[in-house]
Amino acid sequence: GNSVTQMEGPVTLSEEAFLTINCTYTATGYPSLFWYVQYPGEGLQLLLKATKADDKGSNKGFEATYRKETTSFHLEKGSVQVSDSAVYFCALSPKYAGNKLTFGGGTRVLVKP
Amino acid sequence: NAGVTQTPKFQVLKTGQSMTLQCAQDMNHNSMYWYRQDPGMGLRLIYYSASEGTTDKGEVPNGYNVSRLNKREFSLRLESAAPSQTSVYFCASSEKTNTEAFFGQGTRLTVV
Repeated sequence: GNSVTQMEGPVTLSEEAFLTINCTYTATGYPSLFWYVQYPGEGLQLLLKATKADDKGSNKGFEATYRKETTSFHLEKGSVQVSDSAVYFCALSPKYAGNKLTFGGGTRVLVKP
Repeated sequence: NAGVTQTPKFQVLKTGQSMTLQCAQDMNHNSMYWYRQDPGMGLRLIYYSASEGTTDKGEVPNGYNVSRLNKREFSLRLESAAPSQTSVYFCASSEKTNTEAFFGQGTRLTVV
């Protein structure tokens, strides 16, 4: 079956530090890949996505590249802010059987001033 | 822009009580989903509806039922609540395969 594995948190950083959250997946074929962000007390919001190998998704200074050879979709940001404190979820959607997202366990990120 | 609207936002139930979580979307999406979120376990799919008139089980359907009332609305029912169903429930919708899902604000349910 499909699965997503992401690094456990919490990840605690200082402002302006570099952030990387690892995500690897197992799926049949070539799924679409997503990063969602959940701010405290809110629902999930799409942060970025990539639909095919070597695609790079980017948004709000975050980037992730779809690596077919390593089945990975690591999230990076060069300089984090306190407002980036949130829980980040990696997810995949297979290209068949509807858009059933499979989520990783989430990584809590805390950015300190 | 309302997007996906869930009601209620908070609920406390006693073991054995029943309740229905409501979800409505105004984006004319075909597919709708119910997830539960538990600490350290990410989001797990309870039920989904690929299109109006169809529903299917997800990863953790036991203890739940759903109804796709029309294209806009997708409800989740707990017939006899158990403490193990204490969780945060999210409804989501999407247009079609490979498009992103849009989430509601969640319902925090506590079963005592």
